[in-house]
Amino acid sequence: SQQGEEDPQALSIQEGENATMNCSYKTSINNLQWYRQNSGRGLVHLILIRSNEREKHSGRLRVTLDTSKKSSSLLITASRAADTASYFCATFMDTGRRALTFGSGTRLQVQP
Amino acid sequence: KAGVTQTPRYLIKTRGQQVTLSCSPISGHRSVSWYQQTPGQGLQFLFEYFSETQRNKGNFPGRFSGRQFSNSRSEMNVSTLELGDSALYLCASSLDPNSNQPQHFGDGTRLSIL
Repeated sequence: SQQGEEDPQALSIQEGENATMNCSYKTSINNLQWYRQNSGRGLVHLILIRSNEREKHSGRLRVTLDTSKKSSSLLITASRAADTASYFCATFMDTGRRALTFGSGTRLQVQP
Repeated sequence: KAGVTQTPRYLIKTRGQQVTLSCSPISGHRSVSWYQQTPGQGLQFLFEYFSETQRNKGNFPGRFSGRQFSNSRSEMNVSTLELGDSALYLCASSLDPNSNQPQHFGDGTRLSIL
């Protein structure tokens, strides 16, 4: 079963706009990671945020983590058509099974 | 560095057959994990190998098995294939997932069961 849910399930925006995706999870975590998947391809790691971090930036990406609410958000600024993909959050728990547990994903469409 | 390589990319099998998928991790990575991706269940963890030992296992039946060789290459095997096994099977490698390290994924093997 999946650790949590992402919303929205699908998002369509215009090039240049910002895209925000949210992720919720259920148990305590060691870190939370965001991945991108282009159609028919594998997952590409975007950013990892540790449980003791609140915000992290990488280029046009900004990730926040609120462990009290068990939620995270991914912001993509100044989106481009090439950002069109599915985005997944994945949590890594610090107890029990040490494996990534993925959310259901957000399908982002950036219109040129 | 070469990325994670999975072979074959596509595979078509019939019910009852068995299949073996292969994964070559990034050089130096000793941990290999396998995931199944389907439209209905999403991404689900199958198992993880580290230094030739299965260290973690997901909630899949015993028909799903794997192994890791001394060069860290890994194979997964599915026996007595069922229609529901149709999926994209993804392999990921990392230095050690028990630390704050990202996983690096291959492009997967798309398995279709007829």
